[in-house]
Amino acid sequence: KNQVEQSPQSLIILEGKNCTLQCNYTVSPFSNLRWYKQDTGRGPVSLTIMTFSENTKSNGRYTATLDADTKQSSLHITASQLSDSASYICVVSPNFGNEKLTFGTGTRLTIIP
Amino acid sequence: KAGVTQTPRYLIKTRGQQVTLSCSPISGHRSVSWYQQTPGQGLQFLFEYFSETQRNKGNFPGRFSGRQFSNSRSEMNVSTLELGDSALYLCASSWGVGGNQPQHFGDGTRLSIL
Repeated sequence: KNQVEQSPQSLIILEGKNCTLQCNYTVSPFSNLRWYKQDTGRGPVSLTIMTFSENTKSNGRYTATLDADTKQSSLHITASQLSDSASYICVVSPNFGNEKLTFGTGTRLTIIP
Repeated sequence: KAGVTQTPRYLIKTRGQQVTLSCSPISGHRSVSWYQQTPGQGLQFLFEYFSETQRNKGNFPGRFSGRQFSNSRSEMNVSTLELGDSALYLCASSWGVGGNQPQHFGDGTRLSIL
């Protein structure tokens, strides 16, 4: 069964600190992996999309890494800001349609001043 | 460029009623997918429409249905509402179909069943 597991479930850090969120998946075949940010009461917003051949992709202070061999991805947030408080969702896509997208349950990140 | 618009943002219904949710995709996008999001469950795929045709359907009962119009706007309907249908319903649009197409999400409709 295709699965995406994220850790930790929740995380609290001080403003200005760095943090790393983890995503492990068992989806096969593999086409791409996406990280989304979802603010409370809003829809998910895409941060990065990585294909099999990409190891790292950055979007401002967000850097995602992918190890397709071990089926692991991480999202690193640098110099956190209060606005980074949100849920971060990892999504893995096989070579098929959107019905096969597998979503993780997310990591709830809280930044405190 | 306007994003994905979902209406209404909030709905309160009672068991047994039915409800219709609306989604207007980004201009030019022809694919619309619907998801149910509940705490602890993550996003669950409901169905996907492309060019007014349902392409795929997730593992939800027949009470959940949808349609897409010629202007790509989509609606989903839930009949005979149950308490477990309380959730955030998200719509996502993309230019085409397939898992490689970036999806753009709306802010969802929060449905509460009393």
